[in-house]
Amino acid sequence: AQSVTQPDIHITVSEGASLELRCNYSYGATPYLFWYVQSPGQGLQLLLKYFSGDTLVQGIKGFEAEFKRSQSSFNLRKPSVHWSDAAEYFCAVGVDGNKLVFGAGTILRVKS
Amino acid sequence: NAGVTQTPKFRILKIGQSMTLQCTQDMNHNYMYWYRQDPGMGLKLIYYSVGAGITDKGEVPNGYNVSRSTTEDFPLRLELAAPSQTSVYFCASRRTGDLLEQYFGPGTRLTVT
Repeated sequence: AQSVTQPDIHITVSEGASLELRCNYSYGATPYLFWYVQSPGQGLQLLLKYFSGDTLVQGIKGFEAEFKRSQSSFNLRKPSVHWSDAAEYFCAVGVDGNKLVFGAGTILRVKS
Repeated sequence: NAGVTQTPKFRILKIGQSMTLQCTQDMNHNYMYWYRQDPGMGLKLIYYSVGAGITDKGEVPNGYNVSRSTTEDFPLRLELAAPSQTSVYFCASRRTGDLLEQYFGPGTRLTVT
């Protein structure tokens, strides 16, 4: 069955430091992969997506993610974190042509 | 263009009561989805619809019902509410052929006591 694993439940980084959030997926075919962000009390907002082509994709708010087929990973990165990036981040994989399977999420805390 | 709207924002139900969570989108999207979000569990798909009159079960449909009489609206019905249905509920929609990119509403926080 398709699944998404986000190994880190919580991550704390200092403001200005770099960030990497891990995501591993299990899916037989070429995956459609997504990162969403959820600020407290809000719905989910799409950060970036990967369908095909260049394995390094750029998203909004200065985020990027790299698709590595050999590692079944789609890690999210940002070179310098801002306090406003504190939120919960979800990785998702598209399945069956019309649905998404989400990971459990990673809560990012930013220290000033 | 309001996107995806959900009402109510918050609701407290007693065990055994029923209610309908409303979801409306003004983007003319064919696909609509209902998820529940529980702490540490991510989002789980309850039901989805590929167009007016067509619905299908997701991963966790028990205790819920849906209908889709129009393109815009996709209400979620809870019959005989149980404490296990305490959760945050999100509605989402997407265009046909939009490669699965979904747009989310702000959520409804439901407590069943």
